[in-house]
Amino acid sequence: TQLLEQSPQFLSIQEGENLTVYCNSSSVFSSLQWYRQEPGEGPVLLVTVVTGGEVKKLKRLTFQFGDARKDSSLHITAAQPGDTGLYLCAGEAGGSYIPTFGRGTSLIVHP
Amino acid sequence: DARVTQTPRDKVTEMGQEVTMRCQPILGHNTVFWYRQTMMQGLELLAYFRNRAPLDDSGMPKDRFSAEMPDATLATLKIQPSEPRDSAVYFCASGHGTDETQYFGPGTRLLVL
Repeated sequence: TQLLEQSPQFLSIQEGENLTVYCNSSSVFSSLQWYRQEPGEGPVLLVTVVTGGEVKKLKRLTFQFGDARKDSSLHITAAQPGDTGLYLCAGEAGGSYIPTFGRGTSLIVHP
Repeated sequence: DARVTQTPRDKVTEMGQEVTMRCQPILGHNTVFWYRQTMMQGLELLAYFRNRAPLDDSGMPKDRFSAEMPDATLATLKIQPSEPRDSAVYFCASGHGTDETQYFGPGTRLLVL
């Protein structure tokens, strides 16, 4: 069973639209990370959130960690074709520094 | 611009053959991870090293897979014998070991016929 559930699995939108993707779990995480993976490449870290309720912004991307540290969301404003990729969330619990990855949301932004 | 490097980038082989994948972690990083990515399973952790010592390989099929770090600049993942179900993209990642941030290599795309 997947410890981290990501939704939606696939998302296809037009340039300029807004979107939100979700990462949910029944487990509490000490930190949660979002990665973006482009075709043919490895995942690249976007952000790490560690405090319940924390909100971080990275240009048009807004990341939120749930109050109970069990879930997170990623909101993209005015999506651009360059945002196309697989968005992965990864949670770490217990100080092991070994994160567990969700299966990702595959985003396609059409020009 | 320090990066994790992986070789080969692509490998096509026949069932039963040995496959060796190599990874050079970022200089100064003391943790190394091997992952396998497929559409069905997503990213699966195969092995985890800290200071070259294997700490977790519970995700790795022991009968055919092996992972080693001969030195701090090289990590290897071997499959012997390979099977079609091993077809996937294999990623290596390294980290400082003081937080959960991982730096991924570009992956090795393996196809076993």
